[in-house]
Amino acid sequence: KNQVEQSPQSLIILEGKNCTLQCNYTVSPFSNLRWYKQDTGRGPVSLTIMTFSENTKSNGRYTATLDADTKQSSLHITASQLSDSASYICVVRWSNDYKLSFGAGTTVTVRA
Amino acid sequence: GAVVSQHPSWVICKSGTSVKIECRSLDFQATTMFWYRQFPKQSLMLMATSNEGSKATYEQGVEKDKFLINHASLTLSTLTVTSAHPEDSSFYICSAHGLDYEQYFGPGTRLTVT
Repeated sequence: KNQVEQSPQSLIILEGKNCTLQCNYTVSPFSNLRWYKQDTGRGPVSLTIMTFSENTKSNGRYTATLDADTKQSSLHITASQLSDSASYICVVRWSNDYKLSFGAGTTVTVRA
Repeated sequence: GAVVSQHPSWVICKSGTSVKIECRSLDFQATTMFWYRQFPKQSLMLMATSNEGSKATYEQGVEKDKFLINHASLTLSTLTVTSAHPEDSSFYICSAHGLDYEQYFGPGTRLTVT
């Protein structure tokens, strides 16, 4: 069973609208949780990184939240743009080594 | 900082031939590099962990004789797909371990075996 579950699998939104992506994880103990944006045919690019003690982190129009008690994270995209169309991957790093656990990603399609 | 490059960005090769993919950390030294494979609409799957100057550690189910990894310097790791077959067609991504113990990903290499 994957230790990082993301939902929804995909979503379509209109340009200018907001959306929220979810990530639930069971990795324990964990060091940090990252959200990556991956454009088609490109490598992942880090958007935010949060440690156990952080609840929220913003990067422009991207805001990530973390609830370490419930092991849930979300990524909120504000005022979406066409360039936001990509796969968004939730990645959790184990605290006892360097290994990463990847979610399957949420594919976001922004339409004009 | 923390830039990782890959070369080539895409490659097409014939079945039975071998192809080498390079992964370089451009502005930092990486004692550890990782190789991932990603199939369409799937997430990244770790293939192997490469440590400078030592043998790579392969994940279960990954054939070490087929996917040869060399990490000869602190800034370069190579993945050679030997006797490639169409089922090896995939997107290969490397990452490098920085001094902050975080992984920085390369842009990926699209391999198509015909």
